[in-house]
Amino acid sequence: DAGVIQSPRHEVTEMGQEVTLRCKPISGHDYLFWYRQTMMRGLELLIYFNNNVPIDDSGMPEDRFSAKMPNASFSTLKIQPSEPRDSAVYFCASSYAPGQTTNTGELFFGEGSRLTVL
Amino acid sequence: AQKVTQAQTEISVVEKEDVTLDCVYETRDTTYYLFWYKQPPSGELVFLIRRNSFDEQNEISGRYSWNFQKSTSSFNFTITASQVVDSAVYFCALLSGNTGKLIFGQGTTLQVKP
Repeated sequence: DAGVIQSPRHEVTEMGQEVTLRCKPISGHDYLFWYRQTMMRGLELLIYFNNNVPIDDSGMPEDRFSAKMPNASFSTLKIQPSEPRDSAVYFCASSYAPGQTTNTGELFFGEGSRLTVL
Repeated sequence: AQKVTQAQTEISVVEKEDVTLDCVYETRDTTYYLFWYKQPPSGELVFLIRRNSFDEQNEISGRYSWNFQKSTSSFNFTITASQVVDSAVYFCALLSGNTGKLIFGQGTTLQVKP
């Protein structure tokens, strides 16, 4: 399997611009997660989906952030308009449902998208 | 509420020393899972181990060992005979019940000096 695929790997944009981050989860996984990593706040869970349905978006910082999962093989995280404080590494991860005995239950992470907002 | 606390922000040791990374968790669920992930300087997140709440047996994998104690809500990680390649940020994480939601601690930066 190719693993979780994220794009772009690096994005540099100017304040006020729209940013779209993309994620392709591992085929067959039930869950998809978006995390943000910064030095100050560590790894924060922004939102996660189960079978394409958003389950918990309480970590989404504000209305400028939105996430969608139109099908089982694709998700987007959009920031509009972007601000310098959004600069971070954004990770997408996917997993099987917890408790399944056929796997270790780990989240498989993509390589991350490093966003810099000037 | 679920919470993971890694009180050690940074640890520095000399190669071949043993080092223990602490992790304390909070949850009201009876079924939960605990994880350790490693993030080397290259930035990717590498899965190390998962334990479920019903299995308190400690585990050893090479130089790595994990001590799970429900009585103290701790899941500590020990590296024996540390090596420079062990230098990384280590995250402890909690997945509670059947929510699928994985919460990370703040991470411990381990520096192993030659």
